[in-house]
Amino acid sequence: GESVGLHLPTLSVQEGDNSIINCAYSNSASDYFIWYKQESGKGPQFIIDIRSNMDKRQGQRVTVLLNKTVKHLSLQIAATQPGDSAVYFCAENQGGKLIFGQGTELSVKP
Amino acid sequence: DSGVTQTPKHLITATGQRVTLRCSPRSGDLSVYWYQQSLDQGLQFLIQYYNGEERAKGNILERFSAQQFPDLHSELNLSSLELGDSALYFCASSTGTESEAFFGQGTRLTVV
Repeated sequence: GESVGLHLPTLSVQEGDNSIINCAYSNSASDYFIWYKQESGKGPQFIIDIRSNMDKRQGQRVTVLLNKTVKHLSLQIAATQPGDSAVYFCAENQGGKLIFGQGTELSVKP
Repeated sequence: DSGVTQTPKHLITATGQRVTLRCSPRSGDLSVYWYQQSLDQGLQFLIQYYNGEERAKGNILERFSAQQFPDLHSELNLSSLELGDSALYFCASSTGTESEAFFGQGTRLTVV
């Protein structure tokens, strides 16, 4: 079937700590995955993507890990800042159809 | 600013009415996507166009339709509106069909 789900609906971390947001996907044929950040009142904002021929990709303070064996995706945010507070979505691209998970709300405590 | 423009930002209309939402993609992007975001359904893919042609279809109701014009802007038409159609409608664009998509700020539709 087509489903992308997130393990936790909310995540609270201390400022300066690392955050890990997880995502499970069900379609093993998917070959492209994206993480988006959505702040209140705004559209989703691209963070980082990864193709299925990779296990890991790093950006600025963010790392995405892909485990195709267990169909799991994670987003790691280093030194989490108050500005990172938002809802994070993983999305699975299936031939142009970008299927989103339900989202995880990240809250950063000062 | 993502470069994707959606109008109007807010829309309030009555049940049974028809509305048109407009999207201007980023310069050079050929793909346009439409999404519906409601509290209990998350971001739901509706439809995708690529260079004027329908490329992929999601859970789009028959009361909804879309098109992409030669200048690449797109419109989403919602008819016979129901209370449950109240949601945020997002448009996104990308260069191709398997590349990062950039989202507009959305149109908040309220059906009363």
